[in-house]
Amino acid sequence: NAGVTQTPKFRVLKTGQSMTLLCAQDMNHEYMYWYRQDPGMGLRLIHYSVGEGTTAKGEVPDGYNVSRLKKQNFLLGLESAAPSQTSVYFCASSRDPIYEQYFGPGTRLTVT
Amino acid sequence: GQQVMQIPQYQHVQEGEDFTTYCNSSTTLSNIQWYKQRPGGHPVFLIQLVKSGEVKKQKRLTFQFGEAKKNSSLHITATQTTDVGTYFCAGPTGGGADGLTFGKGTHLIIQP
Repeated sequence: NAGVTQTPKFRVLKTGQSMTLLCAQDMNHEYMYWYRQDPGMGLRLIHYSVGEGTTAKGEVPDGYNVSRLKKQNFLLGLESAAPSQTSVYFCASSRDPIYEQYFGPGTRLTVT
Repeated sequence: GQQVMQIPQYQHVQEGEDFTTYCNSSTTLSNIQWYKQRPGGHPVFLIQLVKSGEVKKQKRLTFQFGEAKKNSSLHITATQTTDVGTYFCAGPTGGGADGLTFGKGTHLIIQP
């Protein structure tokens, strides 16, 4: 099993450009999460999903949109990138919200 | 909202010295989890503690859950260079579907 995978691994955007980050998991988990990690800030939840077709806002949702059209995939979109969105983005999944989360390898995004 | 605090933020040790990181929650937790993130890597689940006063060991790592289920600690005996990384604690976010609240982590730096 691949676990949780993320594409791309690295990306550089110019301010105002858009992009989509893809997360895929093969563990049949219902719950999926998108985090951003910045120095000194720990992991901050952007959006999450409790199942196919459902999404909800986390702690820092502004400037991001998500979709979960298939159970195994969770997409994170940036419609108009800003330098403040330069960060490392992690996707995670779990079988239950109170149990362990499995993280993908991350996407390092730089917005210039 | 719920807060999970970790101290210290950084810890420098000589190889072979012991290391301890502490985690405190503003609310009682149903469980506490610990994750390790190697430099440039992604968080990886280490262990989950559920019972009040629980102690678990993994080789040189000892995890404790406080009697009041609001605090926890991770102790590493005789650190090795492979222990380098950031250690996060996390607890369920008030039972909601948004998963876990993570502490900001303790960065362990080991000097040979």
